[in-house]
Amino acid sequence: DQQVKQNSPSLSVQEGRISILNCDYTNSMFDYFLWYKKYPAEGPTFLISISSIKDKNEDGRFTVFLNKSAKHLSLHIVPSQPGDSAVYFCAASGNTGKLIFGQGTTLQVKP
Amino acid sequence: EPEVTQTPSHQVTQMGQEVILRCVPISNHLYFYWYRQILGQKVEFLVSFYNNEISEKSEIFDDQFSVERPDGSNFTLKIRSTKLEDSAMYFCASKEWQTVNTEAFFGQGTRLTVV
Repeated sequence: DQQVKQNSPSLSVQEGRISILNCDYTNSMFDYFLWYKKYPAEGPTFLISISSIKDKNEDGRFTVFLNKSAKHLSLHIVPSQPGDSAVYFCAASGNTGKLIFGQGTTLQVKP
Repeated sequence: EPEVTQTPSHQVTQMGQEVILRCVPISNHLYFYWYRQILGQKVEFLVSFYNNEISEKSEIFDDQFSVERPDGSNFTLKIRSTKLEDSAMYFCASKEWQTVNTEAFFGQGTRLTVV
């Protein structure tokens, strides 16, 4: 089941620069998209979300962009900080509430 | 800040044994979920639960699995006869609403190791 894909398993950026994490989906019925951050041995922590009626949502250093026609969303982190180093999961949901997760992207922010 | 709590943090069990994983969702939440993550793989949906019944389950959630809300606070996942392939991190999550766009809050997980 590859309804949500994160094609980059890892990303390394310098502190202070922009991190861009990408996610693609295939199911047109998804109407809500979320990004979760996960540290080892912890549960996913909610970061930011976007409804399908919007194309952008911003919260501090984090911005999520949604391109419905391309079935693509991205998470921008500006400026990146070493504490942002974690695994980032993209997730999507439709009207049933269950989340379909991507494989995750490991972000490393170097000081 | 309210949080979802899970116990135990790590459970080791013999193949064929029954295990019960426990969760205390956030108190005003109405929708409860179990997910799992096998090492190196993505987080997968197992089951959703609302109003004391299963609202949706995945193919993974076969007859060996069951969920229960035995009282007003706990939400449990039981695996009747564990297999080696059940070894994974199991995450409980809860949401206040289902159809309104709200995020699910996850617990810290229970690492289940079947030997």
